[in-house]
Amino acid sequence: GAGVSQSPRYKVAKRGQDVALRCDPISGHVSLFWYQQALGQGPEFLTYFQNEAQLDKSGLPSDRFFAERPEGSVSTLKIQRTQQEDSAVYLCASSLMLRSNYGYTFGSGTRLTVV
Amino acid sequence: AQRVTQPEKLLSVFKGAPVELKCNYSYSGSPELFWYVQYSRQRLQLLLRHISRESIKGFTADLNKGETSFHLKKPFAQEEDSAMYYCALSGEYGNKLVFGAGTILRVKS
Repeated sequence: GAGVSQSPRYKVAKRGQDVALRCDPISGHVSLFWYQQALGQGPEFLTYFQNEAQLDKSGLPSDRFFAERPEGSVSTLKIQRTQQEDSAVYLCASSLMLRSNYGYTFGSGTRLTVV
Repeated sequence: AQRVTQPEKLLSVFKGAPVELKCNYSYSGSPELFWYVQYSRQRLQLLLRHISRESIKGFTADLNKGETSFHLKKPFAQEEDSAMYYCALSGEYGNKLVFGAGTILRVKS
């Protein structure tokens, strides 16, 4: 596709429910990133993939958060037993290069609301 | 630790006035700095990078290592510049970006 595609655009989950957020990066992009953006804040790093390898997951806030990119393209961010503090916009970004210094291309995000 | 501070939540200027969006950072090594912009109902996009020393849409930003700043400037603001602006930092060995909280720029006619 022409850009980074994320689905769903909006997700409302009841507290305790599991959710899965999908990211389709730009074809051929090696690097894929997930960020969490709380209301009124800048994006905060969650995790990074280089192809199918998850090289950095230091930003995942708890073991309820899990991300995968099994074939080095599409990625899924899964949140188990959602809590209200998980409400945020989840952004995916991809980059052709291995490093961030060329900038990322961001998706439109998934707005998760936990009620 | 890496940190980016954007002290202004909102900056409101008149069309044609100069604009300066402030960004200060904390990083012990050689940082790479970026400005990202998000226009209304659009996705976050890269505006400029300090390493390329470019001017995009009339905006420039100079990395001042002595003051640990990377302020974004434009001599004459236009209404279409109204957006949310984020300053971001990447460490020399890292891939992740650390973002500031963002500044809303509002250009009034």
